[in-house]
Amino acid sequence: NAGVTQTPKFQVLKTGQSMTLQCAQDMNHNSMYWYRQDPGMGLRLIYYSASEGTTDKGEVPNGYNVSRLNKREFSLRLESAAPSQTSVYFCATGDSEQFFGPGTRLTVL
Amino acid sequence: EDQVTQSPEALRLQEGESSSLNCSYTVSGLRGLFWYRQDPGKGPEFLFTLYSAGEEKEKERLKATLTKKESFLHITAPKPEDSATYLCAARPPTSGTYKYIFGTGTRLKVLA
Repeated sequence: NAGVTQTPKFQVLKTGQSMTLQCAQDMNHNSMYWYRQDPGMGLRLIYYSASEGTTDKGEVPNGYNVSRLNKREFSLRLESAAPSQTSVYFCATGDSEQFFGPGTRLTVL
Repeated sequence: EDQVTQSPEALRLQEGESSSLNCSYTVSGLRGLFWYRQDPGKGPEFLFTLYSAGEEKEKERLKATLTKKESFLHITAPKPEDSATYLCAARPPTSGTYKYIFGTGTRLKVLA
């Protein structure tokens, strides 16, 4: 029972490159979330999915897209990375309390 | 505007020196107040959920309490392993989702 897994753990991109962050959960939750965490800013919601087949924008969605592939998997895509997207990205799942993955540390040069 | 504010930003305690962390919220119709612990380089770890004023939850040296405007995380006789960032989050009454509003956290350092 792994809980919430995220890949990759670390990534360095050049400006303009694209990448997809993967998240999977085995907790059988309907809702999944993507956050970014920056110093002094706290956790900010990028996108969320209340159930399989639905996605909605959070507080800071610009520059990102998401796919809820099935009940277990929720991916976050950066189509054209920018230095402002350098951050730590967390996936979470939960239908009341939220449970977080270990994070992806992304640097955009 | 819904908001969550944590204080202090940072706190240094000697081992055994009890203290409290504060989480103030301005969320109408609060649907839950959540506390998390985050260690460096890791994701937040769930600690407590509080739903109504007067409610208390305990776990080892930690006790969380809730009033109509704020929540406190009391740490009794802390140990160095309690050093971490403690986050609180509030859930507003947004139907159909479980979105949180997070505070920026309190960085706790417990010295041996």
